[in-house]
Amino acid sequence: GNSVTQMEGPVTLSEEAFLTINCTYTATGYPSLFWYVQYPGEGLQLLLKATKADDKGSNKGFEATYRKETTSFHLEKGSVQVSDSAVYFCALSPNTNAGKSTFGDGTTLTVKP
Amino acid sequence: DAGITQSPRYKITETGRQVTLMCHQTWSHSYMFWYRQDLGHGLRLIYYSAAADITDKGEVSDGYVVSRSKTENFPLTLESATRSQTSVYFCASRVRAGASYEQYFGPGTRLTVT
Repeated sequence: GNSVTQMEGPVTLSEEAFLTINCTYTATGYPSLFWYVQYPGEGLQLLLKATKADDKGSNKGFEATYRKETTSFHLEKGSVQVSDSAVYFCALSPNTNAGKSTFGDGTTLTVKP
Repeated sequence: DAGITQSPRYKITETGRQVTLMCHQTWSHSYMFWYRQDLGHGLRLIYYSAAADITDKGEVSDGYVVSRSKTENFPLTLESATRSQTSVYFCASRVRAGASYEQYFGPGTRLTVT
């Protein structure tokens, strides 16, 4: 079956530091890949996505590239802010109507001023 | 307000009681989902529904029941609550967006079973 593995947290960074959160996946076929963000007390929100190999998703300064050869979708941001403190989930979803999503366990990011 | 709403946002109940968590979407998305979120387990799928009157089990469905008589509502019932069902519950819907399917989540219900 499908699976997603994220780097374990928590991750603590100082403001303006570089962020990488690793994500690797196992899947049959060619799924779409996603990063969702969960702010305290809220539900998950879609942050970015990529639908095929070598696609780069980007939003709010975050980026991730769909790497089929390494089955990875690492999240990066060049300069984090305190407001980026949240839990980040990597996920995959088959591109079929009946496909169900698979989520990683989430990585908690804390950014200190 | 457009989107997904869940009620109640917080609930404390006793072991053995029946509890129903409500989920309502203002769109007309066909697919809806229930997840539970626990530390160390991420999101686990409880039940999902492809359309009104069509539901199916996820990976952790034991002890839960769902119904979907209308497209916009997808209530989740714990028939006889147990302490192991203490968790945060999220409802979600899904929409086709280009080549992929994106999920939209509600704000969650924090359930404590004493």
